[in-house]
Amino acid sequence: TQLLEQSPQFLSIQEGENLTVYCNSSSVFSSLQWYRQEPGEGPVLLVTVVTGGEVKKLKRLTFQFGDARKDSSLHITAAQPGDTGLYLCAGGVSYDKVIFGPGTSLSVIP
Amino acid sequence: ETGVTQTPRHLVMGMTNKKSLKCEQHLGHNAMYWYKQSAKKPLELMFVYNFKEQTENNSVPSRFSPECPNSSHLFLHLHTLQPEDSALYLCASSQDLRRMNTEAFFGQGTRLTVV
Repeated sequence: TQLLEQSPQFLSIQEGENLTVYCNSSSVFSSLQWYRQEPGEGPVLLVTVVTGGEVKKLKRLTFQFGDARKDSSLHITAAQPGDTGLYLCAGGVSYDKVIFGPGTSLSVIP
Repeated sequence: ETGVTQTPRHLVMGMTNKKSLKCEQHLGHNAMYWYKQSAKKPLELMFVYNFKEQTENNSVPSRFSPECPNSSHLFLHLHTLQPEDSALYLCASSQDLRRMNTEAFFGQGTRLTVV
């Protein structure tokens, strides 16, 4: 069974701090996506990474795909209250199958 | 607004009721999906439709019955549910199956409570 683990499960930080959340697996993925989900809403796609070692930046968010395509990290610089939400990673297993991690719940306190 | 609309947003139903969830996308996508999100569990893929044809059924109980009349609409018919079926049910779409894991767009979900 392929699983994605995310850590930490919960994270509460002050506005302006930096943070990193992780997504790990023993399986190799063809691609990896990061989503943010706000309470009562559906997940919103932030980024997709497909190449081992790839780094993508989206304003204050930096995403990295591990060289072996088994893990990924999301780094947020100078967190803001609007960054609060559940961060989900999802790994592409095959062209028509994707699995999700359990998520990291982030709370940014003003 | 992602272009994927789900109704109703909230639903409370008894175990003997029959209800339906609706999903509509105006993105011109050909693949649509139903996911279940329970507390403290990862999103679970339930059903996959590609060009109106069901291609995946991940061992979902028969009390959940999907319907895809066209590429823009997807329904999930519910009957004789159990309290443990209470969850957030999410619909998603992508241009095609190949882009399922690169460019999927989710609706806002239906929060279902079975009493």
